[in-house]
Amino acid sequence: QVQLVESGGGVVQPGGSLRLSCAASGFTFSNYAMHWVRQAPGKGLEWVAGISYDGSSEYSADSVKGRFTISRDNSKNTLSLQMNSLRPEDTSVYYCARDLGERGVGATVYYWGQGILVTVSS
Amino acid sequence: QSALTQPRSVSGSPGQSVAISCTGTSSDVGGYNFVSWYQQHPGKAPKLMIYNVNKRPSGVPDRFSASKSGNTASLTISGLQAEDEADYYCCSYAGSYTLVFGGGTRLTVL
Repeated sequence: QVQLVESGGGVVQPGGSLRLSCAASGFTFSNYAMHWVRQAPGKGLEWVAGISYDGSSEYSADSVKGRFTISRDNSKNTLSLQMNSLRPEDTSVYYCARDLGERGVGATVYYWGQGILVTVSS
Repeated sequence: QSALTQPRSVSGSPGQSVAISCTGTSSDVGGYNFVSWYQQHPGKAPKLMIYNVNKRPSGVPDRFSASKSGNTASLTISGLQAEDEADYYCCSYAGSYTLVFGGGTRLTVL
């Protein structure tokens, strides 16, 4: 079955950096677009970044543009999110998520990881 | 990239029907037939309930239905059950591997 397991979360000071990873299994990782979606405590879902199945295209939300970078390694079935210049408002549970269809445009999140907490605080 | 607009809360009694609206723009909801709906119970990851405006993934009861008109999408839950009490989020494709979510609606089953 499809499994998405996030790692790399924790507590970081404002202005610091953190790298999240997502280990994917149970499907052909290189055939699916992937996303990061976050949820601040007690708040709603916010799309963070998306990447095409082959890694040739990547996009991010205005709120993180220039600070966060999404990437993937199809040889290792791994999705990553490099987060720099972190702010307190970045404190959230971060979900790794898979697109619905093979070689799709990343239009629908189907599978979600369990999420990992990132806390930005001094 | 403004969030889609949803009512903050809706409620209904068991057996009744409720509808949740989701309003966007011509750049997202109105521009693509890629509207999806998610159910989220406390402490859990979201679950896909509707995709491509009105399609249900395998295993989702047919009590859940959805539609779209112009820049507004709607989710209807009929025959409300206690386990339907959750937060519901709409989501729309906005082009180029970009998604936008609604602010979420808390459904209370009275």
